[in-house]
Amino acid sequence: DTGVSQNPRHKITKRGQNVTFRCDPISEHNRLYWYRQTLGQGPEFLTYFQNEAQLEKSRLLSDRFSAERPKGSFSTLEIQRTEQGDSAMYLCASSVFPNTEAFFGQGTRLTVV
Amino acid sequence: SQQGEEDPQALSIQEGENATMNCSYKTSINNLQWYRQNSGRGLVHLILIRSNEREKHSGRLRVTLDTSKKSSSLLITASRAADTASYFCATDSGGYQKVTFGTGTKLQVIP
Repeated sequence: DTGVSQNPRHKITKRGQNVTFRCDPISEHNRLYWYRQTLGQGPEFLTYFQNEAQLEKSRLLSDRFSAERPKGSFSTLEIQRTEQGDSAMYLCASSVFPNTEAFFGQGTRLTVV
Repeated sequence: SQQGEEDPQALSIQEGENATMNCSYKTSINNLQWYRQNSGRGLVHLILIRSNEREKHSGRLRVTLDTSKKSSSLLITASRAADTASYFCATDSGGYQKVTFGTGTKLQVIP
């Protein structure tokens, strides 16, 4: 399968715990996005990378959220001290800049209890 | 933050009818795209229209773009039950072409 892969698909965690999600983009895609989506809403921009460089992080994100893309390949999104409001679907997408057509993974559904 | 806003929020039609959904956005854009999302799944790219284009077709899809009104419409002709999904517009702007999404239209096609 050469699509965007996200792991895990589902994560249930207790409030206050740290969680880390992984995204493997399509090979040779230099642009990688993270979005958060809650029920009935559109994907909300979190952050994006061009190769290993993080270009922007949403001002809506607290310092509890951090993302990395070492070596410009896979990316990780970490949420520290999770809160119930962090419960959402976390979506990863990749593209070949400057082409903006994005290919999405199936997402990681986070439930904070 | 959401750049675009779709209208209507929900739409229910009979199979065979046409479905039209609209997207309005706030700032100047480079491109506008439409995506489909089946329940609980990732998004799938449908079509892209550049800011210097006014209309584009792909199969049963027709997209229009009016940059003076900062709006776009997606028309799905001869709808099928399999078209039941949420549809989102997405825009990119600036040199870095960050892609941001609208709030979506939930389409239900009744067999």
